[in-house]
Amino acid sequence: GAVVSQHPSWVICKSGTSVKIECRSLDFQATTMFWYRQFPKQSLMLMATSNEGSKATYEQGVEKDKFLINHASLTLSTLTVTSAHPEDSSFYICSARGQGLEQYFGPGTRLTVT
Amino acid sequence: GIQVEQSPPDLILQEGANSTLRCNFSDSVNNLQWFHQNPWGQLINLFYIPSGTKQNGRLSATTVATERYSLLYISSSQTTDSGVYFCAVPRENTDKLIFGTGTRLQIFP
Repeated sequence: GAVVSQHPSWVICKSGTSVKIECRSLDFQATTMFWYRQFPKQSLMLMATSNEGSKATYEQGVEKDKFLINHASLTLSTLTVTSAHPEDSSFYICSARGQGLEQYFGPGTRLTVT
Repeated sequence: GIQVEQSPPDLILQEGANSTLRCNFSDSVNNLQWFHQNPWGQLINLFYIPSGTKQNGRLSATTVATERYSLLYISSSQTTDSGVYFCAVPRENTDKLIFGTGTRLQIFP
């Protein structure tokens, strides 16, 4: 149990375009989903927290107009990177939490902006 | 805010060896998780251990909340144990996880 999927696994896009990443909880309802970013050989940094049906809350320094988060249902959250630039290239990971405190993580999406 | 430090930062061992990874945190917590990030980037939940000791096969973990540290023990290491091990604790009064600095483990045959 507690499986979280992400799609796509990797994506290459041109500078200035937008990219959408999906995060799904497959076998449980996620009251809260989280989005993280990880640069090479670094730890995970929380970008934003989303609850179903409400606006996401963003961490300090994360541009909410650039990283659009939509938590449309209890099993789906999406992250859209708008007007991507090469510095947005990174590994994006989502996690989901059900009724308990434990978080379960998706396999990640590797974004490369050329 | 809460600080989470892990040691050692890197560990290189031969298959069959045992290891102990440490996680220190700067404030009281009600939740602590250990993860293994495999070479493909997937984080695998190892333990949810706010206090006490748990064991799962060759892995075990102990959290001493009053002294603000947790230990992860790996016995009889296998090459598939390679990767980065993270501990994570929640920011005060939230469910938002703060990740430690990580320990990169390499197991050679």
